[in-house]
Amino acid sequence: DAGVIQSPRHEVTEMGQEVTLRCKLISGHNSLFWYRQTMMRGLELLIYFNNNVPIDDSGMPEDRFSAKMPNASFSTLKIQPSEPRDSAVYFCASYLPPGARELFFGEGSRLTVL
Amino acid sequence: GENVEQHPSTLSVQEGDSAVIKCTYSDSASNYFPWYKQELGKRPQLIIDIRSNVGEKKDQRIAVTLNKTAKHFSLHITETQPEDSAVYFCAASMSAGKSTFGDGTTLTVKP
Repeated sequence: DAGVIQSPRHEVTEMGQEVTLRCKLISGHNSLFWYRQTMMRGLELLIYFNNNVPIDDSGMPEDRFSAKMPNASFSTLKIQPSEPRDSAVYFCASYLPPGARELFFGEGSRLTVL
Repeated sequence: GENVEQHPSTLSVQEGDSAVIKCTYSDSASNYFPWYKQELGKRPQLIIDIRSNVGEKKDQRIAVTLNKTAKHFSLHITETQPEDSAVYFCAASMSAGKSTFGDGTTLTVKP
């Protein structure tokens, strides 16, 4: 298995533009997490899904952020409009509950908003 | 919600020495405590974990201890090597699966 796959790996955009980050889960995993990592705030949970259903989106910073999981293996995180303070590395991670608890992270998408 | 505090934020040791990183958590319902290692520019990867029904777990040079009463857990790395240099994150989670991470400890092992 190729693991959790994220795209793009790097994104540079200008303030006000729409950004879409993509994540493909490991086959068979049914929980997906979006994390944001910055020097100042560390690893923050933005939202997580279980069986395609959003369970907790309390970490989503504001309405400019939205996430979807249209099927069991794919998710998107959209920022519209983007702002410089959104610059961060965005990780998605998955695992297969209930027995396995290890989070498998993707390589991350490094976003820079100018 | 859960709150995880991690100390120290930076740790520098000589090769061969031991390193200890400590975390505290706030929610007594948390029952799973993983440790992740993140090398520069890479993704976090699990190195060891412990569940609340166990007090200590060891895997070669790394060990984790858990004190449920005090709500703290620690990572111990013995005989450190330069390749142990990385950022280490502790986390706490409940059965629902959401993991709350500490702020990370940057470990530097000097040859």
